[in-house]
Amino acid sequence: QSVLTQPPSASGTPGQRVTISCSGSSSNIGSNTVNWYVQLPGTAPKLLIYSNDQRPSGVPDRFSGSKSGTSASLAISGLQSEDEADYYCSVWDDTLNGPVFGGGTELTVL
Amino acid sequence: QLQLQESGPGLVKPSETLSVTCTVSGGSISSSRFHWGWIRQPPGKGLEWIGSIYYSGSTYDNPSLKSRVTISVDMSKNQFSLKLNSVTAADTAVYYCGRHGPQTVPASMRWFDPWGQGTLVTVSS
Repeated sequence: QSVLTQPPSASGTPGQRVTISCSGSSSNIGSNTVNWYVQLPGTAPKLLIYSNDQRPSGVPDRFSGSKSGTSASLAISGLQSEDEADYYCSVWDDTLNGPVFGGGTELTVL
Repeated sequence: QLQLQESGPGLVKPSETLSVTCTVSGGSISSSRFHWGWIRQPPGKGLEWIGSIYYSGSTYDNPSLKSRVTISVDMSKNQFSLKLNSVTAADTAVYYCGRHGPQTVPASMRWFDPWGQGTLVTVSS
């Protein structure tokens, strides 16, 4: 059971906008920055968003991150079939004194 | 381009010690700019941070692993390693290494990028 709560699944049709939520507490999201990772089937996770809303070089601007209070969100606009993957939020937890991950959200493009 | 590659035994017996190594290419592990970390993923499950190390040898790890973790760095080989002792079936997972940084920001703001491709370690007799 992760200290960060994500919906286990999400879905959308091509071209649609979807959001994935990540809920935490004052000891993690409420006081630290959130990172998002994407894991395509059978591959290693890859950094998607860092420091709440920053995109690494090469990540399309269809992907955006935001944070408010003890929750964070990942938005994907112009959904494409290749976006089918698992998405994980991650943040430093002051109680654990280390990074924690959400349980992951499996995104399906219908 | 920085690349990380894990190597491990594949199969470890219960109660024994799991050892996995990460070889870094395209950059120096002795860079003062980054830490280096280990993350694992049990089959069909989510990600769990194991621990991280700085080139100086200073480490911090997940207390939930109850001090079973040892992380070390070998600058001469541009590698860092993970040892997890007293393993059980619950330690069966894909073990990933990743660059954890940058050092210029507080630990609470760091991220893992890039990641290695991962190595599956199964604990079974």
